[in-house]
Amino acid sequence: GAVVSQHPSWVICKSGTSVKIECRSLDFQATTMFWYRQFPKQSLMLMATSNEGSKATYEQGVEKDKFLINHASLTLSTLTVTSAHPEDSSFYICSARDLEVGRGYTGELFFGEGSRLTVL
Amino acid sequence: GESVGLHLPTLSVQEGDNSIINCAYSNSASDYFIWYKQESGKGPQFIIDIRSNMDKRQGQRVTVLLNKTVKHLSLQIAATQPGDSAVYFCAENRGGSYIPTFGRGTSLIVHP
Repeated sequence: GAVVSQHPSWVICKSGTSVKIECRSLDFQATTMFWYRQFPKQSLMLMATSNEGSKATYEQGVEKDKFLINHASLTLSTLTVTSAHPEDSSFYICSARDLEVGRGYTGELFFGEGSRLTVL
Repeated sequence: GESVGLHLPTLSVQEGDNSIINCAYSNSASDYFIWYKQESGKGPQFIIDIRSNMDKRQGQRVTVLLNKTVKHLSLQIAATQPGDSAVYFCAENRGGSYIPTFGRGTSLIVHP
């Protein structure tokens, strides 16, 4: 299957600093990527949909000025957590849809390995 | 609405047993369902999917059953192995959307 790579896999930062997480589709092009957040023992919560060449679409309750998303190319989306605070500590997961897999209108979503953010 | 749980239900089975993981979904307009497996510290991995015009689909050692009448989905794993230990999430695509909404998740523990 298609591969989605995230970097870094884990990061520790001080409160008030900004952290950038990269999501790359390695062997396919993704016009749309998705960013999820997952707290311990909880489900994945969709944060935003990243659209190549246009603004991201944020879910209700997600601060767009705090979680900056840039989708500059067909294979790269970045999530920047600005002025991070301890409550932003979480597991951030991106996914991308490969329209060529042949699953009809849905396409199959491929997930990255996740990035664990710890804010001290 | 979204299904988010503070405590994951847990299913413990012995190696070689069959496992059944259940999921209730909320939206009758959902037309596509997916089961994902998530190992500790990793991203979700696709297992099997099913469309709403089907009630059963089989894969390798896995079977998904869909009961639209009661909005219930199940994942059956045959001859469960220790490598199957993980958290399993059901996800639903609501009609017209290709973005899955994840359910609460069930932690499967397989004892050798």
